[in-house]
Amino acid sequence: EVHLVESGGGLVQPGGSLRLSCAASGFTLTDHYMDWVRQAPGKGLEWVGRTTNKAASYTTEYAASVKGRFTISRDDSQNSLYLQMNSLKTEDTAVYYCARSAQHVLDYWGQGTLVTVSS
Amino acid sequence: DIQLTQSPSFLSASVGDRVTITCRASQGINSYLAWYQQKPEKAPKLLIYAASTLQSGVPSRFSGSGSGTEFTLTISSLQPEDFATYHCQQVNSYPHTFGGGTKVEIK
Repeated sequence: EVHLVESGGGLVQPGGSLRLSCAASGFTLTDHYMDWVRQAPGKGLEWVGRTTNKAASYTTEYAASVKGRFTISRDDSQNSLYLQMNSLKTEDTAVYYCARSAQHVLDYWGQGTLVTVSS
Repeated sequence: DIQLTQSPSFLSASVGDRVTITCRASQGINSYLAWYQQKPEKAPKLLIYAASTLQSGVPSRFSGSGSGTEFTLTISSLQPEDFATYHCQQVNSYPHTFGGGTKVEIK
């Protein structure tokens, strides 16, 4: 059974950094593109970014709102996906989900981890 | 970036009603559109991809149609477990934007 579990969320001050992790199980991470999606309190979903798989050279894409501040990485040997978030802003406050991509759509999602950026 | 506009943003319906939600793209996206269902405090769940293909395990009362810039999600007979928020997402080009969501509530 496919399982995705995010961790690493919490309270951070504006300008600070945080690293989220996503532990994957039940499938071969190497085969899949992986995305991060976030949802601010009471708001809709916002696509954050993607890492492709080994066959596509692990390239990354980002939303303009996070480009240059967030970095997606992965360690297939550890079945893990990461989101390094730097220069955090109050508007980055959200629940962050990792999700598996199949045919470009997101067929499995984690339960999410809450990031709160506040002084 | 491609903008997705969902309508309505909120709808009130009764069990057994036929419900239709529209998602309009600011430019053509072929059939690269997915629909997700999200219940409160839960992660989204994939319902439909490629505009009209039902994800495995999703009840057949859900259907999707459209191509280009206009898409619809239809629930043929609303069930109690269908009261949720529905999101569309385009995967034609980066960034893979979402619509604003449609909340379906009990009338």
